[in-house]
Amino acid sequence: LAKTTQPISMDSYEGQEVNITCSHNNIATNDYITWYQQFPSQGPRFIIQGYKTKVTNEVASLFIPADRKSSTLSLPRVSLSDTAVYYCLVGDMGYSSASKIIFGSGTRLSIRP
Amino acid sequence: DTGVSQNPRHKITKRGQNVTFRCDPISEHNRLYWYRQTLGQGPEFLTYFQNEAQLEKSRLLSDRFSAERPKGSFSTLEIQRTEQGDSAMYLCASSPLQGTSGTSPKDTQYFGPGTRLTVL
Repeated sequence: LAKTTQPISMDSYEGQEVNITCSHNNIATNDYITWYQQFPSQGPRFIIQGYKTKVTNEVASLFIPADRKSSTLSLPRVSLSDTAVYYCLVGDMGYSSASKIIFGSGTRLSIRP
Repeated sequence: DTGVSQNPRHKITKRGQNVTFRCDPISEHNRLYWYRQTLGQGPEFLTYFQNEAQLEKSRLLSDRFSAERPKGSFSTLEIQRTEQGDSAMYLCASSPLQGTSGTSPKDTQYFGPGTRLTVL
């Protein structure tokens, strides 16, 4: 079971780049790394997913080192609307047990003006 | 809006009553998941369906909980004899079976807004 460890909370300011690191020391060969964002009173929303190296989309980048034991979600030039909880998930995403995909407590990101 | 919908959005009930929640997934999605989320915690997996088959149930899903997806479309989650500890946000998510290419996201789950249950 690939458990993840993330900081409980982070603070930053508008316009800054924010990096949230997730540790997953026992990641398996078939596991992907997926990040979700959740606002209060809403369901989580998919942000980005990767397997190795770097992935970039219109909202974030995901950096995964060669050993894949950690990953870093990078949010460029954050705004107040990026204040949310961010979850790092590790799992083989549909090829085996869905119950093994664990959200954990996430990282509560607060952006200040 | 073609996203995942859940009804009702809020439910207040008295201890001992039965409640039923409904989830309408994205129409072409094969998989449907139910999660429970309490304040300050991430979603906890309860159960999931692939089409109409319930393939997994968490140990969190006691005998008082039952979920169905009779035609492989919408799903219902029923809680019988509710207890105060059942108070939580109940989230539904759906996903396609898998990414359609080697680079597309695998089993990306699309969540509904949730049903907030309060048991008095």
